[in-house]
Amino acid sequence: AQSVTQPDIHITVSEGASLELRCNYSYGATPYLFWYVQSPGQGLQLLLKYFSGDTLVQGIKGFEAEFKRSQSSFNLRKPSVHWSDAAEYFCAVGRADKLIFGTGTRLQVFP
Amino acid sequence: DTGVSQNPRHKITKRGQNVTFRCDPISEHNRLYWYRQTLGQGPEFLTYFQNEAQLEKSRLLSDRFSAERPKGSFSTLEIQRTEQGDSAMYLCASSPPRVGADTGELFFGEGSRLTVL
Repeated sequence: AQSVTQPDIHITVSEGASLELRCNYSYGATPYLFWYVQSPGQGLQLLLKYFSGDTLVQGIKGFEAEFKRSQSSFNLRKPSVHWSDAAEYFCAVGRADKLIFGTGTRLQVFP
Repeated sequence: DTGVSQNPRHKITKRGQNVTFRCDPISEHNRLYWYRQTLGQGPEFLTYFQNEAQLEKSRLLSDRFSAERPKGSFSTLEIQRTEQGDSAMYLCASSPPRVGADTGELFFGEGSRLTVL
């Protein structure tokens, strides 16, 4: 079955600290992988995506993610978190017509 | 640049009433999607249009739900005889025509929140 697991429901970090959000997937074919961010009152915004090629992908707002096929993972990272990064982050897998989303990780940033 | 627009943003209704949501996609996008997001969950796929054709429907979309995209532009999602379990955020997304490899990137609206009392 196709699925996405985000094991961390809620993460709290201090501003300036590094961040890693975990994502594991189960997908029969070569996956397309995405990270979206959802801020209160705003729509989901694409941070980055992976289709093929270099397994380390760069996204917007200083985020990056690494695809590890052997671990079925696509973890999101940022070296230094800003207070404005507080939001909910969703990992998704699939192809165009039907994305499967994880349950999300809520990020809280302390000053 | 106009993004995906959804109306109304909030709807409170009594159980048993009908509600309709509208989605205006980005103008050059021929594909349109509806997702549902309940509290503490990620978005779940409901249905998908390419131009005016509804190509796929999720099993989540019961007979009380109907979606249309009559002219291949805006879309409506109607829920008849609403139930408390229908309370959720209804998200619309669109994507451009495929050129070469399918990127699968979706552009989401801000959603329409439904509360059924």
